[in-house]
Amino acid sequence: AQTVTQSQPEMSVQEAETVTLSCTYDTSESNYYLFWYKQPPSRQMILVIRQEAYKQQNATENRFSVNFQKAAKSFSLKISDSQLGDTAMYFCAFATLNNAGNMLTFGGGTRLMVKP
Amino acid sequence: SQTIHQWPATLVQPVGSPLSLECTVEGTSNPNLYWYRQAAGRGLQLLFYSVGIGQISSEVPQNLSASRPQDRQFILSSKKLLLSDSGFYLCAWSAGPGTNYGYTFGSGTRLTVV
Repeated sequence: AQTVTQSQPEMSVQEAETVTLSCTYDTSESNYYLFWYKQPPSRQMILVIRQEAYKQQNATENRFSVNFQKAAKSFSLKISDSQLGDTAMYFCAFATLNNAGNMLTFGGGTRLMVKP
Repeated sequence: SQTIHQWPATLVQPVGSPLSLECTVEGTSNPNLYWYRQAAGRGLQLLFYSVGIGQISSEVPQNLSASRPQDRQFILSSKKLLLSDSGFYLCAWSAGPGTNYGYTFGSGTRLTVV
């Protein structure tokens, strides 16, 4: 079974600085998908970024980028120029290819506080 | 474009009362549908998922049940609520077989059982 681990339950960062959230996963599959979701205080879950394991290039969405290390089974999220609106719970998620129901396995989450 | 609607947003129910939470998806057909529960400040617990009408898979045996009477409708129910059923419930959908673009979540229902 696949597992996703987020080892940092809570983190904080000063506004305008950069922060990196860690995520590791365990799988025997060679092709899969990885995701980062953001859950702000409103509790709406929002997809931040998606990575396909067969692509070498790290995904980027504006201030959000990932460092995907396939051999190390690591998928960290870097937030540049942190803003107060980035304060949220962040969840890392994993999915194998073509699994029944496109199921995602989620990590336990990292609570990020951006300080003014 | 695809949208997902979940209601109600907030619900306070007495112990022993029934529950019905509804989720509908627009703009797509044959979606995969999911119900998750989240305790305050905690992670996501998958309750049920469905890959088609009438097809329900349960991940955690409990006081809840799910049904999918129509292609884009997913309902979470209970006959008698327990205090432990309190939490934040999220519905989500994903596209059917093929490339996985992840889930799109509804806005959630905050359930308090008193």
